[in-house]
Amino acid sequence: DVVMTQSPLSLPVTLGQPASISCRSSQSLVNSGGQTFLNWFLQRPGQSPRRLIYMVSYRDSGVPDRFSGSGSGTDFTLKISRVEAEDVGIYYCMQATHWPRTFGQGTRVEIK
Amino acid sequence: EVQILESGGDLVQPGGSLRLSCAASGFTFNTYEMSWVRQAPGKGLEWVSTISPSSDYAYYADSVKGRFTISRDNSRNTLYLQMNSLRAEDTALYYCSKGSACDYWGQGTVVTVSS
Repeated sequence: DVVMTQSPLSLPVTLGQPASISCRSSQSLVNSGGQTFLNWFLQRPGQSPRRLIYMVSYRDSGVPDRFSGSGSGTDFTLKISRVEAEDVGIYYCMQATHWPRTFGQGTRVEIK
Repeated sequence: EVQILESGGDLVQPGGSLRLSCAASGFTFNTYEMSWVRQAPGKGLEWVSTISPSSDYAYYADSVKGRFTISRDNSRNTLYLQMNSLRAEDTALYYCSKGSACDYWGQGTVVTVSS
């Protein structure tokens, strides 16, 4: 199975400041067609997860442009350009290239 | 608007069975894979199973293989998860999600396995 490793696991941030979360996979997430299926989700307290980013860098509908995804192969990053109060929660990366699908452990983002 | 609604969660004894349902609307159900993802209390997300649009293939996590069966009824826009031989470690909030890349999620249904 592909192991997804996120860092840090806890991220205290200041409102208005940038934040960055890393996600590394134990094997390449590039499929035979050259596509990379790496997604990012946010689970706000008491809510279901919501997908923010798919295929490394594409924002889902309605996701603010302060969120951006980047990376390739086995190394990926989610960046928030200026953290807002509504960004608090747990962020998960998930690979959808290989079976079984696997999630990272989650990164808890909180306001300092 | 995509809507996903899970049901069927309950308290069940170890070794027991339960069937979860997921009613979907707002998209062409029979053209998408559908998935179940679970979250144990205070823990992270764990993918459980995914089924193809026409039910010709399904994948399972090793932790549930041989005990859980995913199925769907495209005429009813409904996804199912039959869970047998339940264990305490199956206790979780079970989410239904659109696609194997999980672009939309329901609110979840709680399964508690305890004597």
